[in-house]
Amino acid sequence: SQKIEQNSEALNIQEGKTATLTCNYTNYSPAYLQWYRQDPGRGPVFLLLIRENEKEKRKERLKVTFDTTLKQSLFHITASQPADSATYLCALDITGGSYIPTFGRGTSLIVHP
Amino acid sequence: GAGVSQSPRYKVAKRGQDVALRCDPISGHVSLFWYQQALGQGPEFLTYFQNEAQLDKSGLPSDRFFAERPEGSVSTLKIQRTQQEDSAVYLCASSSRQGINEQFFGPGTRLTVL
Repeated sequence: SQKIEQNSEALNIQEGKTATLTCNYTNYSPAYLQWYRQDPGRGPVFLLLIRENEKEKRKERLKVTFDTTLKQSLFHITASQPADSATYLCALDITGGSYIPTFGRGTSLIVHP
Repeated sequence: GAGVSQSPRYKVAKRGQDVALRCDPISGHVSLFWYQQALGQGPEFLTYFQNEAQLDKSGLPSDRFFAERPEGSVSTLKIQRTQQEDSAVYLCASSSRQGINEQFFGPGTRLTVL
């Protein structure tokens, strides 16, 4: 079956380290992939969009890679801070070019001071 | 400027009651989406509007769910004869134009059906 997989276990890291979150997908050829941040009791907040012809995209301390051969996106936060603690959701189009993204379940990141 | 707002923020309904959830998107945003998010899960697509036209309602789980956006701005998601399995957070998102874009989400309405 078609799936978007994000690690359901929380990622615990120490402040200052680089956090790396993974989004794997099967049976899709998405035209794009997005990453969102969600805090408890709030709606998701858009962070980055990467298209199928892009290998990497950066924004401040954030970096996203997109490997269409491995069917995987990695989301990195460098010099992590306790304020980065949140759930991070990946979303992609499962029909190739649709503007309605399908979301993964998200991975919780906890940055310890 | 103001972001996406949703009301009410919390709604408790008895099983069988009808509820109406409101979304005020960012002014001028063409696209509007409704999602349902269960605890510990990602948002699941319900329906999509471009201006006042409902272009995709494939995610609505049953005919008890109905959405409208009559003037292309405010949208209402209505759930008739609520069931316990309807308990979830209902999120609304808008984006400035059609196509693959950043979505701006509201805070959601937490619906609890007793």
